[in-house]
Amino acid sequence: DSGVTQTPKHLITATGQRVTLRCSPRSGDLSVYWYQQSLDQGLQFLIQYYNGEERAKGNILERFSAQQFPDLHSELNLSSLELGDSALYFCASSTPNGAAEQYFGPGTRLTVT
Amino acid sequence: QKEVEQDPGPLSVPEGAIVSLNCTYSNSAFQYFMWYRQYSRKGPELLMYTYSSGNKEDGRFTAQVDKSSKYISLFIRDSQPSDSATYLCAMIKGTGAGGTSYGKLTFGQGTILTVHP
Repeated sequence: DSGVTQTPKHLITATGQRVTLRCSPRSGDLSVYWYQQSLDQGLQFLIQYYNGEERAKGNILERFSAQQFPDLHSELNLSSLELGDSALYFCASSTPNGAAEQYFGPGTRLTVT
Repeated sequence: QKEVEQDPGPLSVPEGAIVSLNCTYSNSAFQYFMWYRQYSRKGPELLMYTYSSGNKEDGRFTAQVDKSSKYISLFIRDSQPSDSATYLCAMIKGTGAGGTSYGKLTFGQGTILTVHP
């Protein structure tokens, strides 16, 4: 158990809908990262937050957004969902200077039908 | 061309064998190199990370980095059926200073390993 928690574990929704994925980092970690894992693209970095501020951005779609709250938990919002958004979404966290040591949560499996 | 290349396998070995997993990369800006293990439908688990060229050992695992060749390896000695998983290499271009960091991990495609009894 990495100490990173994610909810829900599974999500099934229809095209066009909006969902919110939630992540709680390890105790003491200020950085939160979101990744998407699909069969064809592998694990892809989406976005990083550090202590509530956006720190780095990957190839995140405009339909996707994230935020980190004062209690350091983070939410990833996915809207206008398409079939191709079906994937595993992982959250990871690290200490302020420990970006090379990212600890991943169990993931949320999103299925868009 | 992908920044990080990893042979997806699959790789099948008998129990007790030495396993060698490899990745190559093209961007010399990568400074830290990680190996993750991912069991089916689970989150990636950090096995090891290294910074400089050379070897780093942890139990049955040895990570090797050759920055001049842009080549990294993970060796697993005395492999066990419980080592059966997907192994992902990952790299990062650097962390910031002054208590902050930015950390986009770039992953290889992963190598599927099966260790059979």
